[in-house]
Amino acid sequence: AQTVTQSQPEMSVQEAETVTLSCTYDTSESNYYLFWYKQPPSRQMILVIRQEAYKQQNATENRFSVNFQKAAKSFSLKISDSQLGDTAMYFCAFLYTGTASKLTFGTGTRLQVTL
Amino acid sequence: NAGVTQTPKFRILKIGQSMTLQCTQDMNHNYMYWYRQDPGMGLKLIYYSVGAGITDKGEVPNGYNVSRSTTEDFPLRLELAAPSQTSVYFCASSAPGSIQETQYFGPGTRLLVL
Repeated sequence: AQTVTQSQPEMSVQEAETVTLSCTYDTSESNYYLFWYKQPPSRQMILVIRQEAYKQQNATENRFSVNFQKAAKSFSLKISDSQLGDTAMYFCAFLYTGTASKLTFGTGTRLQVTL
Repeated sequence: NAGVTQTPKFRILKIGQSMTLQCTQDMNHNYMYWYRQDPGMGLKLIYYSVGAGITDKGEVPNGYNVSRSTTEDFPLRLELAAPSQTSVYFCASSAPGSIQETQYFGPGTRLLVL
């Protein structure tokens, strides 16, 4: 079974600064996907970024980028130029396609962006 | 294209009552999922379906039932509601085998069992 660990329950960053959220996972599979989802106070689950394990290049989406270290089973999220709208819970998730594409979620990191 | 829709948005149940949470998607996705999210926690899989007529248990299926008679709909049934089922319930869908392998979530249903 796969597990996902987010060791930072809460983080705070000032507006316009950069913050990195950590995520580690455990799996014996070699082909899988990793995701970061954002959950604002509205509770809507919003996809932030995805990474295919077979790709060595780190995924980027505007101000969001990941540092994917496959050997270390690490998948951190970097948010650059933080904005007040980035305040939310962030969940790291693992997906192995061989298990009906089920997602395994971490417990989340609450990010607060301050002025 | 509405994506994944869920009804109701919020519901209060008394212990022992039953209810059905509705989920519909209009993206023609074969795979659908039900998750629950307890306060301060991540999402845990209750049930999933890989196509019409096919369902299977996830991590926390006790106290729930599902059916999948059409591609679009995947209702979740709560029988004999208990306080431990107080949670936020999310439905999601995906298109397996696609490049993205991304699950798209509904807005959630908040359930309070008293």
